[in-house]
Amino acid sequence: GDSVTQMEGPVTLSEEAFLTINCTYTATGYPSLFWYVQYPGEGLQLLLKATKADDKGSNKGFEATYRKETTSFHLEKGSVQVSDSAVYFCALSSNQGGKLIFGQGTELSVKP
Amino acid sequence: EADIYQTPRYLVIGTGKKITLECSQTMGHDKMYWYQQDPGMELHLIHYSYGVNSTEKGDLSSESTVSRIRTEHFPLTLESARPSHTSQYLCASSEWGLDEQYFGPGTRLTVT
Repeated sequence: GDSVTQMEGPVTLSEEAFLTINCTYTATGYPSLFWYVQYPGEGLQLLLKATKADDKGSNKGFEATYRKETTSFHLEKGSVQVSDSAVYFCALSSNQGGKLIFGQGTELSVKP
Repeated sequence: EADIYQTPRYLVIGTGKKITLECSQTMGHDKMYWYQQDPGMELHLIHYSYGVNSTEKGDLSSESTVSRIRTEHFPLTLESARPSHTSQYLCASSEWGLDEQYFGPGTRLTVT
């Protein structure tokens, strides 16, 4: 079945460091891909999405490119801030009625 | 900004009590979902609905039940709470034909 694998956390970075969180997927067909962010004590917020191969989703300085050849959707940001500390989830849309399949989440901690 | 609400935000109750977690959205979305999020952050789909009078069980077996009498309302009920039900419960909704889901702030339930 469809699945999403994220790099394990926690990831700890200094402010202004470069961020990469790896995400790979297994799916039949051509799913849409998403990154969600969850700040402490809150629900998930949609961060960015891509709907087809080679699409680049971007938002708030974060970006990710849909790579069909490597089945990947890695999240990147050039310069992280303390306020980016959160848990990040990669997800894909399954071919079962639009349900989302989530990765296990990666916790990011940014130190000043 | 998505308009999806959950009440209560926090709840501490004793074993054996009946509880209902409320979820409402004002976006007119047909599809709604309930997730259980364990302390390790992973999300498990426990119920979903594609419209009024439609409810389905999710991927994770749950002792809870749901109802969908109105489009905007998707409550989750536990008839007899147990300590194993202690978790964060997240409600989400999505528009028919689109895959991205919008999440509420969550209810953190503790059963003593």
